[in-house]
Amino acid sequence: DIQMTQSPSSLSASVGDRVTITCRASQTIYSYLNWYQQKPGKAPKLLIYAASSLQSGVPSRFSGSGSGAFFTLTISSLQPEDFATYYCQQSYSTPLTFGPGTKVDVK
Amino acid sequence: EVHLLESGGGLVQPGGSLRLSCAASGFIFTNYAMSWVRQAPGKGLEWVSDISASGDTTYYADSVKGRFTISREDSKNTLYLQMNSLGAEDTAVYYCAKREPFWSGHAFYYGLDVWGQGTTVTVSS
Repeated sequence: DIQMTQSPSSLSASVGDRVTITCRASQTIYSYLNWYQQKPGKAPKLLIYAASSLQSGVPSRFSGSGSGAFFTLTISSLQPEDFATYYCQQSYSTPLTFGPGTKVDVK
Repeated sequence: EVHLLESGGGLVQPGGSLRLSCAASGFIFTNYAMSWVRQAPGKGLEWVSDISASGDTTYYADSVKGRFTISREDSKNTLYLQMNSLGAEDTAVYYCAKREPFWSGHAFYYGLDVWGQGTTVTVSS
């Protein structure tokens, strides 16, 4: 199984900050990497697919990059509605696996 | 509007069974593979199972293999998850999700683009 790790596990930031979250796979997954946002009590929401493609309707302040085994999610200017937990997920092989999540909270 | 609605969760005793349902609307259900993902209280997301669009191929996490069965009833636009031999470790919110194939120009990349609101399963005596 492909293991996914994320760092940091949590971070505190202010509105307007640039935020970067990293995700690493235990083996190459090429660009088969998705990012999700989850708010408390809500279902996850797809932000980025194929490592760097923005899902329809997602604000352009979100961006993804990387390939192989190392990926990043960047929020260029954090907005109040962006405080949430972010998960990466590999779709290269079954079982699909998620990272442990990165919680972004208010500084 | 594309929508998924889970039902069937509840409190069940250890060793018991439960069947979850996921009613789909707003898209051509038969065109899409579907997934179940769960989230234990205070924990992260765990993929549980997938079923192909045709229904003839299924996949399971090792943690549920042999106990859970995914199926679909296309005439009712409904996805199911039959859960048997439940244990405390199965306590979670269970989400169904639609697997969207995104074409990049040279390959399909799959993402879970539509999720239900989740149904809670609690295994306890």
